[in-house]
Amino acid sequence: GQQVMQIPQYQHVQEGEDFTTYCNSSTTLSNIQWYKQRPGGHPVFLIQLVKSGEVKKQKRLTFQFGEAKKNSSLHITATQTTDVGTYFCAGPKSGAGSYQLTFGKGTKLSVIP
Amino acid sequence: NAGVTQTPKFQVLKTGQSMTLQCAQDMNHEYMSWYRQDPGMGLRLIHYSVGAGITDQGEVPNGYNVSRSTTEDFPLRLLSAAPSQTSVYFCASTLGSGAPYEQYFGPGTRLTVT
Repeated sequence: GQQVMQIPQYQHVQEGEDFTTYCNSSTTLSNIQWYKQRPGGHPVFLIQLVKSGEVKKQKRLTFQFGEAKKNSSLHITATQTTDVGTYFCAGPKSGAGSYQLTFGKGTKLSVIP
Repeated sequence: NAGVTQTPKFQVLKTGQSMTLQCAQDMNHEYMSWYRQDPGMGLRLIHYSVGAGITDQGEVPNGYNVSRSTTEDFPLRLLSAAPSQTSVYFCASTLGSGAPYEQYFGPGTRLTVT
């Protein structure tokens, strides 16, 4: 079945350093979504990418969707302690409606002040 | 709007007990789903519904039942709790038409089965 893989599983950075997490799907995706989950909280939608090669920015966060629409990345510039949490990518399940998402296992980001 | 609400927040069950996790949304979303989250496993889809009266199985449906009698409510029933069902359960909803297909998550229910 469809697999969505994320690396790394954990990342510890010094405050001010950059951070990148990568997401790879075993199948081509119609779109990819990114979520952030703070410790003890629930996942919160960050963004959706739809077009091949799409790049979107939200302040210090940059999201990319690969040309083949099978991979994506999230890059955070100059991390802050407020960036702490787990970042998940998710893509629609192959052959299903766009609402059935397959989530990656997430990248847990720790920021050392 | 309250968004997606879940009750209870915490629950401890004994093996073999049954219970219902409640989920409600007030955004008139068509699509609702239940996920479980286990350490290092991400979010796994249990059941989902594309509208009132329509439900289907997700990736890990065994041991769980759902129903959708109204647009607002989507309860998850554990038939006979097992320790393997110890997890955090999230309910989510999405509008169901057009993009983006962002899912709105409830605060979660932390379930322990002893």
